[in-house]
Amino acid sequence: AQTVTQSQPEMSVQEAETVTLSCTYDTSESNYYLFWYKQPPSRQMILVIRQEAYKQQNATENRFSVNFQKAAKSFSLKISDSQLGDTAMYFCAFMKAGAGSYQLTFGKGTKLSVIP
Amino acid sequence: DTGVSQNPRHKITKRGQNVTFRCDPISEHNRLYWYRQTLGQGPEFLTYFQNEAQLEKSRLLSDRFSAERPKGSFSTLEIQRTEQGDSAMYLCASSTRDSHRPDTQYFGPGTRLTVL
Repeated sequence: AQTVTQSQPEMSVQEAETVTLSCTYDTSESNYYLFWYKQPPSRQMILVIRQEAYKQQNATENRFSVNFQKAAKSFSLKISDSQLGDTAMYFCAFMKAGAGSYQLTFGKGTKLSVIP
Repeated sequence: DTGVSQNPRHKITKRGQNVTFRCDPISEHNRLYWYRQTLGQGPEFLTYFQNEAQLEKSRLLSDRFSAERPKGSFSTLEIQRTEQGDSAMYLCASSTRDSHRPDTQYFGPGTRLTVL
C-alpha cells in the first residue's frame, strides 16, 4: 500500500514571495504518477501539476514547479510570485502507473495562506 | 467542456435514512471515481468505474454503500441506513486516457452530506 505524507499542516507566505510545500511518499512501485491538487475554500479540487516518475526532468506549470527526488521519495511544490488566489488547501497525491488501478492516494494536505 | 457536475451540492438527512448522489462526468470520459473527504483530511478512494463496469472498490465501501453507472455516463452513489459517521464530502472525478495527460482525474464540486 502507498502512503503520502505532508508534514506541514499550515503555511503562510507574503504576496509575491516564494513558498515550498513538502511531500514525501512510500511505495514499492517503480512506475507511478505524482500530483499536486489545489482546493480553494468552498471550491472544487483543481489539478496544479503532475509528474511522471520515469521522467527525470521536473515538471513546471507557469509559477508552479516541483522538485522530484525519486530516490528520496520526495515531491515538493514551489510556488513563485505568490498571489492571493493561491490561498487554498494543497494536496499531494500518488497513483500507480499501468492498467488495473487508478485510485489516487492523497496526503492530509497543507493549508496555504497568502498574506497581502 | 462543462466539467464534472454533482447533485445535490448539500444534503442533510436523519440517521437511518437513505440518500442518493449523482455525478455527471466530463463528456466522453470513460473512467469515473468516487472519493470521500472528511474534515481536515485528504480524499479517500471509494470506487472506480470504467464505462459501466465497476472495477475497483475500497474496503471503506461497506455493504450500505452502492454505486452504479448504468450506461457508462452518469453515476449514482447510494448510502442506505445512514450513520453519523457517513457525514463527509463525497467527491466525484472523471478521467480518460489521452496523449497529453493520461489518467489525470478532474474533480467535481462535491456533495456535502450531514447526518443528524
